[in-house]
Amino acid sequence: ELKVEQNPLFLSMQEGKNYTIYCNYSTTSDRLYWYRQDPGKSLESLFVLLSNGAVKQEGRLMASLDTKARLSTLHITAAVHDLSATYFCAVDRGAQKLVFGQGTRLTINP
Amino acid sequence: GAVVSQHPSRVICKSGTSVKIECRSLDFQATTMFWYRQFPKQSLMLMATSNEGSKATYEQGVEKDKFLINHASLTLSTLTVTSAHPEDSSFYICSASTGGNNSPLHFGNGTRLTVT
Repeated sequence: ELKVEQNPLFLSMQEGKNYTIYCNYSTTSDRLYWYRQDPGKSLESLFVLLSNGAVKQEGRLMASLDTKARLSTLHITAAVHDLSATYFCAVDRGAQKLVFGQGTRLTINP
Repeated sequence: GAVVSQHPSRVICKSGTSVKIECRSLDFQATTMFWYRQFPKQSLMLMATSNEGSKATYEQGVEKDKFLINHASLTLSTLTVTSAHPEDSSFYICSASTGGNNSPLHFGNGTRLTVT
């Protein structure tokens, strides 16, 4: 059974700082997703990572994938308050059926 | 970009009643739709997968007679929560795909169900 674990689950940081969220998964998969969720809202797609060594960047967020280590990271550079949200990684267990991590609640303080 | 719309966005119903949630793909044909449930401050869990014109496939532990899924067309899937109980209160989110492992997934805006 595929398990997906994120850490940390809670993260409070100051504006301007850098930090990384980790996503470990237990079995091989073809693709990994990162999503953002604001309170009371649905999911906003951030990244889709399809291959080993894949790196994608959008603004202050950068995601990477190491399929051999079964690890993905979401790196936040010079955080700003607007990035406060819950971030989920999700792994495709096959046929686009996703297994989600627990989520990382990120709070960025001025 | 592709849009998936859910309706209603919020619904309150009494215990014992049934409520229907619609998931529509507005600008593409969704061969496959997925239904997820998210309890407060928790992650999303896949409930079932529906393919147009065929019966839904339910995840282990999800009661198919309680959560009725119909995917009658390429743009519409419905989830009916029957004989709702307070423990069914949750955030229900659908996602849709045009089919094929490399096609993008699009999530709906979610439905907040409260059962009193």
